[in-house]
Amino acid sequence: EIVLTQSPGILTLSPGERATLSCRASQTIRSSSVAWYQQKPGQTPRLLIYSASSRATGIPDRFSGSESGTDFTLTISRLEPEDVAVYYCQQYSSSPLTFGGGTKVEVK
Amino acid sequence: QVQLVQSGPEVRTPGSSVKVSCKASGVTFSSSTFHWVRQAPGQGLEWMGRLIPLLDVPVSAPKFQGRLTLTADKSTNTAYMQLSTLRSDDTAVYYCANSIKLWYFDYWGLGTLVTVSS
Repeated sequence: EIVLTQSPGILTLSPGERATLSCRASQTIRSSSVAWYQQKPGQTPRLLIYSASSRATGIPDRFSGSESGTDFTLTISRLEPEDVAVYYCQQYSSSPLTFGGGTKVEVK
Repeated sequence: QVQLVQSGPEVRTPGSSVKVSCKASGVTFSSSTFHWVRQAPGQGLEWMGRLIPLLDVPVSAPKFQGRLTLTADKSTNTAYMQLSTLRSDDTAVYYCANSIKLWYFDYWGLGTLVTVSS
């Protein structure tokens, strides 16, 4: 089973700042098979990024994804108050599919 | 547009079972993949298993093998998740999620709260 470790656990930034969220995989991920989800308080998760760096339909371009080896990154270029949420990475390279533990993003 | 409409909240006692439904519209039901993901109170997301109705071959995460039954009714475009031998730590919101091409989750239902309590 591929374990995904997300860091930091909590990220507190001011509006307009850049947010960098990390997701490290315990094994090689084939074919960039990582997705990112946003879950706002009391809501259902929403797909942001798939294939490590492709934005889902309707996702603002301030959200971007990248990868380097077994490290995957979600970047929010200019944080907005509406971005307060927990962000999860997920791998679909092998079964069982697994999620990271999440990063909570707070806005000052 | 795609909609996944799940059944309502459930309360069960330990040792019993629960069956949650997920009625889909706006997707090609038979050929897409239906996943079940759960989230315990205040916790993260946990993948439970998947089913492609066309193939009708369910795949469960090792943790749930023997307790999880995934089925689908192609006549009503409805996927089902049944979890048996419930324990208190099965208390969670259970989400139905849909994959179109690869196994990330394009669409999500609103979730069904299952409470297991004596």
